[in-house]
Amino acid sequence: NAGVTQTPKFQVLKTGQSMTLQCAQDMNHEYMSWYRQDPGMGLRLIHYSVGAGITDQGEVPNGYNVSRSTTEDFPLRLLSAAPSQTSVYFCASTLGGGLNSPLHFGNGTRLTVT
Amino acid sequence: KNEVEQSPQNLTAQEGEFITINCSYSVGISALHWLQQHPGGGIVSLFMLSSGKKKHGRLIATINIQEKHSSLHITASHPRDSAVYICAARGGNKLVFGAGTILRVKS
Repeated sequence: NAGVTQTPKFQVLKTGQSMTLQCAQDMNHEYMSWYRQDPGMGLRLIHYSVGAGITDQGEVPNGYNVSRSTTEDFPLRLLSAAPSQTSVYFCASTLGGGLNSPLHFGNGTRLTVT
Repeated sequence: KNEVEQSPQNLTAQEGEFITINCSYSVGISALHWLQQHPGGGIVSLFMLSSGKKKHGRLIATINIQEKHSSLHITASHPRDSAVYICAARGGNKLVFGAGTILRVKS
């Protein structure tokens, strides 16, 4: 049982480049979410999904797109990377469509935009 | 002002000490999560609670919904407890996180 798998672990982008951070879970969790973690600021919600075909914005959605075509996958797309998007990104999932169960986190992706 | 405030920001303890980390929130919530982030960066869920108290091994979490306050206690602390402890308040389908408490337990 792999849990939540994030790829890649590290990524360096130039300003203006685009890329997709991958997140997959094999626990049949309905709720999936993306967070960024910056020093001194804690985790902040970017986008979340309560089930396949349903996504919604979090606290800091600008510059990011998501889609949820399957229960298992929830990719995060950076459309045109900016230095302000340098951060550590975490994907998390939980059972059910809400937050009534413990969260399961991926191991994170460290992104640097130069 | 953050909606979720944690204290202290940093905590150094001697092995064996009783540790308390506090979390206060200013919004109405339906549940509160406590998370642990290890030095390697991985995050694990410790507790999710909406009332009362939960215990798992040497860890105890309490919440007072009326006072908008939760505490995480570690009994008989050990160097392996050294980590960042994060509380997160659930409002609807979103979590709002505290900035974390960096705990170092010395042997």
